[in-house]
Amino acid sequence: GQNIDQPTEMTATEGAIVQINCTYQTSGFNGLFWYQQHAGEAPTFLSYNVLDGLEEKGRFSSFLSRSKGYSYLLLKELQMKDSASYLCAVRDLAPGANNLFFGTGTRLTVIP
Amino acid sequence: KAGVTQTPRYLIKTRGQQVTLSCSPISGHRSVSWYQQTPGQGLQFLFEYFSETQRNKGNFPGRFSGRQFSNSRSEMNVSTLELGDSALYLCASSRDFSYEQYFGPGTRLTVT
Repeated sequence: GQNIDQPTEMTATEGAIVQINCTYQTSGFNGLFWYQQHAGEAPTFLSYNVLDGLEEKGRFSSFLSRSKGYSYLLLKELQMKDSASYLCAVRDLAPGANNLFFGTGTRLTVIP
Repeated sequence: KAGVTQTPRYLIKTRGQQVTLSCSPISGHRSVSWYQQTPGQGLQFLFEYFSETQRNKGNFPGRFSGRQFSNSRSEMNVSTLELGDSALYLCASSRDFSYEQYFGPGTRLTVT
């Protein structure tokens, strides 16, 4: 089975740095994803980690430790538009599988 | 390039009825996955289709079914609707051998 945990809500200040954690226990692992979802909109892809370490993409970075079943998404220089839900998802190991198992998401509120 | 499109965007049905939702993937994408999103459970994988074949299936009852056509467009059907089927249904498409999924805007289904 799959179990993916992330905090339900977080609040941070504009211009600050915030780290959103995700822990997972899955029967198979073929990569970890972070998606951003604004209220009423579709999720949009942020990052993908399949090997341990840090992946940096502009203001967003994502880290993975497979041995610990742990990932985090780091958002720097927060902007008001970053207020959204952030979804952690693990990809199935099955050959050719393209299905993702999602956590319930972390709702981030950025305040002035 | 047009994004993933889903129709209809909103739907209201009565318990016991059935419903069919449609998804048109990005041109050239042959993989289409369907997800159900509810406030309590988050995003849950329903099934994935690739080249008109169901490649993976999540843990949903048999009332949920789908199919894919030769042009990669996909439909999902829910029979004998229950109140708990009220949710946002999202589809996502991806290129062959690509890990990145592109989500459509979703169909908001309300069952009364």
